[in-house]
This record gives sequence, C-alpha cells and structure tokens, in this order.
Amino acid sequence: ETGVTQSPTHLIKTRGQQVTLRCSSQSGHNTVSWYQQALGQGPQFIFQYYREEENGRGNFPPRFSGLQFPNYSSELNVNALELDDSALYLCASSLARQGSTEAFFGQGTRLTVV
Amino acid sequence: AQTVTQSQPEMSVQEAETVTLSCTYDTSENNYYLFWYKQPPSRQMILVIRQEAYKQQNATENRFSVNFQKAAKSFSLKISDSQLGDTAMYFCAFIPYSGAGSYQLTFGKGTKLSVIP
Repeated sequence: ETGVTQSPTHLIKTRGQQVTLRCSSQSGHNTVSWYQQALGQGPQFIFQYYREEENGRGNFPPRFSGLQFPNYSSELNVNALELDDSALYLCASSLARQGSTEAFFGQGTRLTVV
Repeated sequence: AQTVTQSQPEMSVQEAETVTLSCTYDTSENNYYLFWYKQPPSRQMILVIRQEAYKQQNATENRFSVNFQKAAKSFSLKISDSQLGDTAMYFCAFIPYSGAGSYQLTFGKGTKLSVIP
C-alpha cells in the first residue's frame, strides 16, 4: 500500500453530467498529479498541483479541472462528461525536492459514462 | 515531446524462467529518468525499477534488471526467476529531469505479462 487513497472506486455517470473524483495524498507529500488511463492504454498525464497551484497540464480540455487543498488532498472535476471520458483515473502523490522522481499511485477511480 | 513505445502487447513466461520486456523512447532531452511500473489487477501502479540517464550502470532491484542503451534509446526490463505474482501489466515510463517538482510521466501502452505455473 502506498498511502494514497482515491474515492470512489467506481462511478457511473450519464453523458453531460459533472463528476468529482477525490484523492488523499501520502502523508508529507506536497505534489499531486492526475492521469487518465483508457482501457488497454497507458496512463496519460492530465495535470499536476503543487502547493495548491496547477503547475503542469497535459493535452486535456478546460472541462478537466482540479483543486489541491491545504492538507494536500486533491479533487479532479470533469464537466460535460463525454462517452470517451470513460476510463480509470489515477492520482499520484510526490514530495517535490531536488532529485526526487518517485510518484506513489492510488488504486484509481473507474469512471463509466453512459 | 516525448514518446514511449512498447512493441509487445502480451508476453508469457514459465514460472522460474527469465523474460525480457522491450521499451524504446524518443526525446531530445539529455537528462531524464526512465521507469518500469507494474500494474496488477488491483490497478495500483507500483514502481519496479528506475534508471537515471546520466548513469551508465544498469539498475537492478533483486530479480529485476534493466538494459539501458542511451544511444539507441532503448530500455528493456529483465525479470529473472519469474513468479506467479509477477503477472501484471508492465508500463515503461519517461520523465525529463527538471529539478524538483515535475512528475509528468509519459507512459507506453504497456505489456501484459502472464506467468504460467
């Protein structure tokens, strides 16, 4: 176990709805990043938060947004859900410091859009 | 932009045998890190091994070792004495060195490894 927990584990939403996924970082970690993993694919980077500010974003539209809270937990929000948003969403937490590269992943939230 | 390619969608190996998973990557960066992650059915990504591009020595972690060929941009994973618990998806991943704070990993599509009793 990595100490990174995500909720919920599974979720079914209807196209056009909005969804919020949550991530609790490992204790002491100040950076969280989110990934989308479509079926049969590798994870794709959505964005990263460091000390409550977004400091990196992948090729995802603005309807994907996030928050990081003072306790370093995080939310991923997706508006106007599309069928292609169906995927496993992974959260990873890290401690930003020189030479540190390890990201600790949660077990993910499986989102199904119908 | 970086790309990571894993050309073997699926592989199988007999228990106790050795298997090698392939990965190639493309980047214009000179300093970077390469990783192999394991994703079992529980879905949690687990770091298997890490290689720093400026180190010529290949990384090893118990039964896991890599063959890192920087000029060829190749990074293969060798699993020795395969065990049933090694059955999982294996992802090769890349991150450029940017000091502290960037964890934007680029992943390959993965190789599904099955260890056969």
